[in-house]
Amino acid sequence: QQQVKQSPQSLIVQKGGISIINCAYENTAFDYFPWYQQFPGKGPALLIAIRPDVSEKKEGRFTISFNKSAKQFSLHIMDSQPGDSATYFCAAGWRDMRFGAGTRLTVKP
Amino acid sequence: DGGITQSPKYLFRKEGQNVTLSCEQNLNHDAMYWYRQDPGQGLRLIYYSQIVNDFQKGDIAEGYSVSREKKESFPLTVTSAQKNPTAFYLCASSGQGRSGANVLTFGAGSRLTVL
Repeated sequence: QQQVKQSPQSLIVQKGGISIINCAYENTAFDYFPWYQQFPGKGPALLIAIRPDVSEKKEGRFTISFNKSAKQFSLHIMDSQPGDSATYFCAAGWRDMRFGAGTRLTVKP
Repeated sequence: DGGITQSPKYLFRKEGQNVTLSCEQNLNHDAMYWYRQDPGQGLRLIYYSQIVNDFQKGDIAEGYSVSREKKESFPLTVTSAQKNPTAFYLCASSGQGRSGANVLTFGAGSRLTVL
């Protein structure tokens, strides 16, 4: 069974809008929560990550919100751009990462 | 340029054949991983290795085998016992980020198609 559940499966946003992707996890031993961005035909690349001792982390237009009690975390992309169109994966773990199913984001110009 | 090299990029196999996917890293990372990517299922962990000559099964190890004889190399063999081997295979290695957690660096992937 999937240890990390991600939604939505796909997302279409207008340029300049906010993209929001949600993830939930079960294992309370997970201690590191990264988000990866993947373009077609390429391997995923680390976008932003958070540890559970903080509730929010912001890097440029990308923000992770983390709710430890609910075992949920989300990625917010502000001012979404067509270049952000990619597949996004959340992950959780420490030494061995478990990934969500991915969200295919399309930003329309 | 430090990174992970996977080869071949595309591979076709007949049913009943074993194939080996290569993964080499020059990042001096101790840990290496193999993931399988299928549409709508994300990345699923096949095997991982924290140190040379040691490796552990992930969530979907059946039908796969690995070896870790050198720090730089972690080849994956897809055996004929793997029932549905057509997929995109990703190799990764990890070193500690500033937070102390393992930060994964991925290769460009190998796409295996069984004919």
